[in-house]
Amino acid sequence: QVQLVESGGGVVQPGRSLRLSCAASGFTFSDYAMHWVRQAPGKGLEWVALISYDGRNKYYADSVKGRFTISSDNSRNTMYLQMNSLRAEDTAVYYCAKDLIAGADYWGQGTLVTVSS
Amino acid sequence: QSVLTQPPSVSGAPGQRVTISCTGSSSNIGADHDVNWYQQLPGTAPKLLIYGNSNRPSGVPDRFSGSTSGTSASLAITGLQAEDEADYYCQSYDSSLTVLFGGGTKLTVL
Repeated sequence: QVQLVESGGGVVQPGRSLRLSCAASGFTFSDYAMHWVRQAPGKGLEWVALISYDGRNKYYADSVKGRFTISSDNSRNTMYLQMNSLRAEDTAVYYCAKDLIAGADYWGQGTLVTVSS
Repeated sequence: QSVLTQPPSVSGAPGQRVTISCTGSSSNIGADHDVNWYQQLPGTAPKLLIYGNSNRPSGVPDRFSGSTSGTSASLAITGLQAEDEADYYCQSYDSSLTVLFGGGTKLTVL
């Protein structure tokens, strides 16, 4: 069955970095675009970034552009989100999702990132 | 402030019909970009309810339906049940492939 498993969340000080991972299984990872979506405590869903199926094209929300980098390793069926210069407002549960534009039928369970001194 | 506008809350009694609107613009919904709808129960990941404006994934009851008109989309839920109480989000995208979410609507079953 399809599984998306995020990892790498935790508590980090403002200005520091963190890398999230999303391990995929149960489908042909290299056939699909993948996304990161986040949800701040008590708030709505916010799209963060998209990487195309072949890893060549990447798109970012304005709120993270220049600070976050999305990447993927099709040989490991894994997507990453490198988060630099973290701010308090980046505190959220981060989800990975498959093929959001067509309708994300699979999401991970989420990993919590807390940015606090 | 979300680019896609949803009412913060709607409510209905069991068995009733409710609709949730999602208003966009000519850059997204009005440009014929598909709208998807998600249901999110507390503490869980979103679940796909409707994709491609009006299609239901396998396993989603036909009580849920989606439609679009111009720059807006709607999610209708008929035969309201207690288990439908959740947050609902619309989602589309713009021509630069920026993915857009509505602000979310909390459905309360009275």
